[in-house]
Amino acid sequence: ETGVTQTPRHLVMGMTNKKSLKCEQHLGHNAMYWYKQSAKKPLELMFVYNFKEQTENNSVPSRFSPECPNSSHLFLHLHTLQPEDSALYLCASSQDYGGRWSEQYFGPGTRLTVT
Amino acid sequence: GQNIDQPTEMTATEGAIVQINCTYQTSGFNGLFWYQQHAGEAPTFLSYNVLDGLEEKGRFSSFLSRSKGYSYLLLKELQMKDSASYLCAVTNSNYQLIWGAGTKLIIKP
Repeated sequence: ETGVTQTPRHLVMGMTNKKSLKCEQHLGHNAMYWYKQSAKKPLELMFVYNFKEQTENNSVPSRFSPECPNSSHLFLHLHTLQPEDSALYLCASSQDYGGRWSEQYFGPGTRLTVT
Repeated sequence: GQNIDQPTEMTATEGAIVQINCTYQTSGFNGLFWYQQHAGEAPTFLSYNVLDGLEEKGRFSSFLSRSKGYSYLLLKELQMKDSASYLCAVTNSNYQLIWGAGTKLIIKP
């Protein structure tokens, strides 16, 4: 049990669908992250929220839209995705952003397939 | 650019010792992390180095040389459950975390 939960665990969607991924952390952390993990590629950081404010957006296409209503919850809204967006989407949280206490705790991920 | 280099795959024998290397080129340095990721699971934190030297934690140790842009993860008394991918990640001067592609470690009996 990692203290970071993600739903759904698996998602299959068509290119015209709209869906949302949800992440919740029960660790009292201040920073939350969305990552994309594709086979044999490094983890790709998508978005970072620190104290509910977005601090990083790594040139992510606008078809991915994050939302952080409070420091415990993070959403990733998806619309008009492409097949190359199929991947494992990981959420993580850390006590602080940067430095020793930026050790990240990951959720189990959502396996997304775009058809 | 910024990049992290690790071997793609390594094989070792149960009970032996293995060293996984990581070299990095980043804009500044504010710490290096090692994570373990079993197939189909999320990464879990193993170690953090910010000063030169060796940090030991049970069967796992991590070494850092900032002048050489180099780190290694040393795993002793290998067990079958150590079969996993090991990810090296570096925090740069902007506190951005740069990830390596990971080293898949295969343990054979």
